[in-house]
Amino acid sequence: DAMVIQNPRYQVTQFGKPVTLSCSQTLNHNVMYWYQQKSSQAPKLLFHYYDKDFNNEADTPDNFQSRRPNTSFCFLDIRSPGLGDAAMYLCATSRKGGVIYEQYFGPGTRLTVT
Amino acid sequence: DAKTTQPTSMDCAEGRAANLPCNHSTISGNEYVYWYRQIHSQGPQYIIHGLKNNETNEMASLIITEDRKSSTLILPHATLRDTAVYYCIVSNTGNQFYFGTGTSLTVIP
Repeated sequence: DAMVIQNPRYQVTQFGKPVTLSCSQTLNHNVMYWYQQKSSQAPKLLFHYYDKDFNNEADTPDNFQSRRPNTSFCFLDIRSPGLGDAAMYLCATSRKGGVIYEQYFGPGTRLTVT
Repeated sequence: DAKTTQPTSMDCAEGRAANLPCNHSTISGNEYVYWYRQIHSQGPQYIIHGLKNNETNEMASLIITEDRKSSTLILPHATLRDTAVYYCIVSNTGNQFYFGTGTSLTVIP
């Protein structure tokens, strides 16, 4: 009964080689988020989709892009990964709107850049 | 969003109550207090949230001071599985969370 699924759990890419991480959800939630979590640090919000509306955080590097082709799927594209982009990438979802809806997190994808 | 301050780490004996404090002195009137926890190598997990009244659910209790400048998460009977990093977050949208540094709770047998 997995609710937020992230594939793969571990991803290795080469310096400068584009990589895509995927997230899917079975909750039919309207909002989907991507967070970056570096070692021993708290998760950092990169961007979120409210339905099809994309909301980028001001300090998210241009190297990070996202696509949401439908309600269930959301992708994180890193166009030219650097060594500093090695991290755990977390996907989360929540119901539409309001302050009372909790976020459901996936297990994360750990990205290694060689 | 308001910032939060939490102790870096805490220990708690198994079976005892764990009381995790959080300061959010600049919280505004429409901001909720949320608590999440993250067990090692997993995604964060929602625990509880509140606005100004104390809240209780099957996992924990949340005590918010009358001036709303601080709160305490209470795990009534801590178990080894409660060992995790606990994050206190304030947000007025529920959609944009800015995690603080969190408290690493270790439950000791």
